[in-house]
Amino acid sequence: DGGITQSPKYLFRKEGQNVTLSCEQNLNHDAMYWYRQDPGQGLRLIYYSQIVNDFQKGDIAEGYSVSREKKESFPLTVTSAQKNPTAFYLCASSIGGAHTGELFFGEGSRLTVL
Amino acid sequence: AQSVAQPEDQVNVAEGNPLTVKCTYSVSGNPYLFWYVQYPNRGLQFLLKYITGDNLVKGSYGFEAEFNKSQTSFHLKKPSALVSDSALYFCAVRLQEGGYGGSQGNLIFGKGTKLSVKP
Repeated sequence: DGGITQSPKYLFRKEGQNVTLSCEQNLNHDAMYWYRQDPGQGLRLIYYSQIVNDFQKGDIAEGYSVSREKKESFPLTVTSAQKNPTAFYLCASSIGGAHTGELFFGEGSRLTVL
Repeated sequence: AQSVAQPEDQVNVAEGNPLTVKCTYSVSGNPYLFWYVQYPNRGLQFLLKYITGDNLVKGSYGFEAEFNKSQTSFHLKKPSALVSDSALYFCAVRLQEGGYGGSQGNLIFGKGTKLSVKP
């Protein structure tokens, strides 16, 4: 079945450590996105990528990094520079730039900093 | 700047009653509007969208939404609520003129409304 796979579902990190969240899609979508979800704040865009080898900062990119070496993969690294990384992270994809089409979401990764 | 407002943090409805989840938006041009649903610890699922044409849009699971340009609203509705409809609902907006790429091409999400349907 086509879809988006995020891993791990739960992740614990000590302060000062970098962690990488995986996102893989087999929908053949060009565009991929990373969102952060905090209670009562909705979804905030971290990074997005319209095509392979290109990505753009979203609204809250500080302390995060991404790569897009393959169409299917868009990993997110939460660096030690991110001051408050505990959150639910959602990866999404869309045909093209989400013009009139909807976003398809993964099941999310919950990161907790100990 | 584009923005979306969901004025109610929570909506409580009895099973079998009609439900409405409110959404208003602010954009400088013509909007594309979306509704998504999220169950606990899951990703978001697409419900419906307004692109153009008929102001009443029908979507998944019996939901519908009405686009009202004069009131800049896109309220989500269902004639008869089910307990299984209990979830977090997000409204989102995007500029039609945003073009391919660039921040204007991305969706702006509301903060979400928790729908609770009691038996």
